[in-house]
Amino acid sequence: TQLLEQSPQFLSIQEGENLTVYCNSSSVFSSLQWYRQEPGEGPVLLVTVVTGGEVKKLKRLTFQFGDARKDSSLHITAAQPGDTGLYLCAGHGSSNTGKLIFGQGTTLQVKP
Amino acid sequence: ETGVTQTPRHLVMGMTNKKSLKCEQHLGHNAMYWYKQSAKKPLELMFVYNFKEQTENNSVPSRFSPECPNSSHLFLHLHTLQPEDSALYLCASSQVWGPDEKLFFGSGTQLSVL
Repeated sequence: TQLLEQSPQFLSIQEGENLTVYCNSSSVFSSLQWYRQEPGEGPVLLVTVVTGGEVKKLKRLTFQFGDARKDSSLHITAAQPGDTGLYLCAGHGSSNTGKLIFGQGTTLQVKP
Repeated sequence: ETGVTQTPRHLVMGMTNKKSLKCEQHLGHNAMYWYKQSAKKPLELMFVYNFKEQTENNSVPSRFSPECPNSSHLFLHLHTLQPEDSALYLCASSQVWGPDEKLFFGSGTQLSVL
């Protein structure tokens, strides 16, 4: 069974600080996606990484896919209260189906 | 209309009730999904419909019964639920069911079973 472990599970920081969220597995994934879920809403896709070592930037958010395609990280620079939410990583495994495997999520709280 | 719409947003039901959750997508997608989201647990895939055909049933108890009359609509019929079924139920859609597909989620139905 392929699993994705996210760390930390909860993060509370002040506005302006930097942070990194990790998504790790012992299995290889064909691609990894990151979603953000705000309270009372469904998850919204932020980015998909496909190639080992790939780095993608979305304004203050930087996403990296590990060289071996087993892990990923999300780095936020100068966090803002609007970044508050649940961050989920999700991967398509090796079975070549559409089944996405989700991590348990990282809850981020950015205080003004 | 937003991409994926779920109704109702909140539902409280007794263990003997029968209710249905509704999902509608306006994105022209061909795959629709039901997920269960419980506190501190990963999203659990329940059912997948691809071109109206059920392609995944993730060992879901029979008290949950999905229905997909067309590619735009998905229902989840609920009966004789248990308190541990209380959770956020999310509907999602994608272009098709397959690897590397991107999911578009609705806002969910927060279900409480008393």
